[in-house]
Amino acid sequence: DSGVTQTPKHLITATGQRVTLRCSPRSGDLSVYWYQQSLDQGLQFLIQYYNGEERAKGNILERFSAQQFPDLHSELNLSSLELGDSALYFCASSAGGGAGETQYFGPGTRLLVL
Amino acid sequence: GNSVTQMEGPVTLSEEAFLTINCTYTATGYPSLFWYVQYPGEGLQLLLKATKADDKGSNKGFEATYRKETTSFHLEKGSVQVSDSAVYFCALKSPHESGGYNKLIFGAGTRLAVHP
Repeated sequence: DSGVTQTPKHLITATGQRVTLRCSPRSGDLSVYWYQQSLDQGLQFLIQYYNGEERAKGNILERFSAQQFPDLHSELNLSSLELGDSALYFCASSAGGGAGETQYFGPGTRLLVL
Repeated sequence: GNSVTQMEGPVTLSEEAFLTINCTYTATGYPSLFWYVQYPGEGLQLLLKATKADDKGSNKGFEATYRKETTSFHLEKGSVQVSDSAVYFCALKSPHESGGYNKLIFGAGTRLAVHP
């Protein structure tokens, strides 16, 4: 158990809908990262928040947004969903950020868009 | 840009066989290198890491050495067990990547299946 929790575990929805994925980092960690794992794109970095502020951005679509709240949990919002958004979404956390720092991953949320 | 290339799987071995999973990278400067493992139905777990050239990371019988001259970080284990069956991901963090040390860049993953 990494100490990172994600809810829900599974989500099934329809095209055009909006969903929210939730992540609670390990106790004491200030950074939260979101990654998408799909069959065609592999594991891709989406976005990072550090202590409530956006720190780094990857290939995140404009339809996707995230935020980190004062209690440090984070939410990833996916809107106008398309079939291609079906994937496993991972949240990771770390103390801050740095060369050798380990990112600890949650169990993921599996999203299926029908 | 920075990237990681892993050998394609699946890799199928008998128990107690020797394992090598090749990983090479393209990066500017000196990235940090990682191996993560994903067991069926679970998230990724850090297996080992190395942050500078010639460092050897090791854990649970697995090891990998950061080779700057060959830009490689191959994963090895002397005697695999059925419980090692999983998908293994090589990854890097680079200060010269957009997002710097904040993001992990992953290889495509290599599936390992170990049979009794």
